Order: sequence, then C-alpha cells, then structure tokens
Amino acid sequence: QITLKESGPTLVKPTQTLTLTCTFSGFSLSTSGVGVGWIRQPPGKALEWLALIYWNDDKRYSPSLKSRLTITKDTSKNQVVLTMTNMDPVDTATYYCAHRLPYYDVLTGYPFRGFDYWGQGTLVTVSS
Amino acid sequence: EIVMTQSPVTLSVSPGERATLSCRASQSVSSNLAWYQQKPGQAPRLLIYGASTRATGIPARFSGSGSGTEFTLTISSLQSEDFAVYYCQQYNNWPLALTFGGGTKVEIK
Repeated sequence: QITLKESGPTLVKPTQTLTLTCTFSGFSLSTSGVGVGWIRQPPGKALEWLALIYWNDDKRYSPSLKSRLTITKDTSKNQVVLTMTNMDPVDTATYYCAHRLPYYDVLTGYPFRGFDYWGQGTLVTVSS
Repeated sequence: EIVMTQSPVTLSVSPGERATLSCRASQSVSSNLAWYQQKPGQAPRLLIYGASTRATGIPARFSGSGSGTEFTLTISSLQSEDFAVYYCQQYNNWPLALTFGGGTKVEIK
C-alpha cells in the first residue's frame, strides 16, 4: 500500500530556509506517470498547493511562491525534498506531501487529476 | 491565477438529509476539478476528480457535477462520518496551476 510521511523541523526562525522531506513507500518515482506534490495549510485556513515533481524530473511550482521553492527527488531513497527560503511567520502551516492520482490519457499523456494519497502532515511554526 | 470560491462557508444539515455544496471558478476550468474531504486533524481525502468521477472507494452517495465555472458536490444522504470540511481544487494543466477553494464546513444541524 502507498504511504507518505513528512519530516523536518517543527520550528524555524524568520528569514531561515525550511527543508522538508517526504519519505514514501508503495510506489517508485522512477515509474512513468508518478508524481509527488507538496501542499500546505495554515491553522484554521484553506489548502494551498506549493510544488509537484514528476518521475521524469519535470517540476511545477505555485506561481506566487516559485521564487522561494525548490523541489527535488532522490529515487534511490524514495524521498522528495522541498526547500522554502526566507521563511516568515505567515508561512506557519501544516505541510503535506501527496501522491499524484495515476492517470493516463492517450492524447495528453499524464495530466494531473488529483492527489489520492496524502501524508499525515507536519506542523511548521515560524517564530523568533 | 484562477480563484475558486466555495459557498456556503458553513452548511448545517441533519443526518439523512441531502447536502449541496457549490464551487465557482473565476474563469473556465473545463472539467478540471477535484473535491476533497477533510476531517479535523486529518489529511484531505480525494472524493471526486474530473468534476464527476468518484475516486476509488468513495461511496455512491457522493456525486459531482458541473463544468466551466460552476460545480456542485452533492451528498445524497448525510452520514455521521460525512460531517467535515470540503474543498474544491482546479487543475489547469497547461501550465500546471493548482488552486483550492476556501472550503465548506458541513456541520450537524
């Protein structure tokens, strides 16, 4: 079965860089069509998509946060890493990683259709 | 950026009743829309994708409809486990941009 788990610091100071790791099992990021994304949720607020990386190393970022984000994968370790620079208290949130719903279309290839498996999330607080 | 607006913010429904949740896009997203359910302290769960296709294991009482800018999630007969927050998400694939709505909380009346 597919599982994902986020790990990283629970507390970071303003201006620091956050590094989060998503460790997964039950699938491989070397398999065609596979993708892993990051989504965050400030306390009591809505979800916000951050980034997505595909099996072929194609990377997509939220336009509003693109300058601060980097997503990478380590296929041998079954991990995806997200870094976010210049952290601010407004970045306090639960950060989730999630597996892209497998979907193939003969005309368009591997279009996104949703996230079907999610990690439990990790709360990151930004405070001095 | 495509903005997703959900209404109402809170929906009070009695168990066994029908719940209708709305999601509006600021511009057409065709059928590129998903619905998620989130319970307190839990990660979201995918319910619907492609505006109307139920994800694996999702009960038939959940149905999605709509296209373009107007979408609806209907829960035909609310069960106790359905009281939660529901989010819509659009996925405009070229270039990929994912945005979520603000959520609708379905609470017990």
